[in-house]
Amino acid sequence: AQSVTQLGSHVSVSEGALVLLRCNYSSSVPPYLFWYVQYPNQGLQLLLKYTTGATLVKGINGFEAEFKKSETSFHLTKPSAHMSDAAEYFCAVSEYSGNTPLVFGKGTRLSVIA
Amino acid sequence: KAGVTQTPRYLIKTRGQQVTLSCSPISGHRSVSWYQQTPGQGLQFLFEYFSETQRNKGNFPGRFSGRQFSNSRSEMNVSTLELGDSALYLCASSLATGTGSYEQYFGPGTRLTVT
Repeated sequence: AQSVTQLGSHVSVSEGALVLLRCNYSSSVPPYLFWYVQYPNQGLQLLLKYTTGATLVKGINGFEAEFKKSETSFHLTKPSAHMSDAAEYFCAVSEYSGNTPLVFGKGTRLSVIA
Repeated sequence: KAGVTQTPRYLIKTRGQQVTLSCSPISGHRSVSWYQQTPGQGLQFLFEYFSETQRNKGNFPGRFSGRQFSNSRSEMNVSTLELGDSALYLCASSLATGTGSYEQYFGPGTRLTVT
């Protein structure tokens, strides 16, 4: 069975500082990996996804993530945090082989301090 | 292109009642998935419909059911509501053509409160 672990339920960074949100997954088959962001009282917005090919994936709003198979990780980074980045971030995995449901991590709430 | 829409956005029900939530996917998307989001359990998959057929089902009791219409619109129903059913219910649509691309687009959700 697939699973996702997000280290740190709450991360706080200063405006302009590096953002690093950690995600480790467990999957018995090659995975699809996703990062979603959720703003208060809204649904989930896709930031980026990894399917195959290049292991460094660039997404929207300056975010990127690197797929490391040996570490079973898919950490999300952004070089310089902006106040508007404050939100909840979810890492998710699904099986590469077919249309299987997304399995989400518990989420990491990002706070950005001025 | 319009995004995923969900109605209603907010709902208050009493224990024992039933509720129906609606989801209209992005035009051209044939797959609709439903997720429940709670502070304690996080995001959990309920079920997925593709071309009017349930294709995947999560680990929820039979009180939770759904259906999909020929225009891909979907409804989910919860019968005999319990306090623990209070949650944000999210609908997601996808092309899900089977070629491997599985990008899901989420609606704003329906906030259900059971009193």
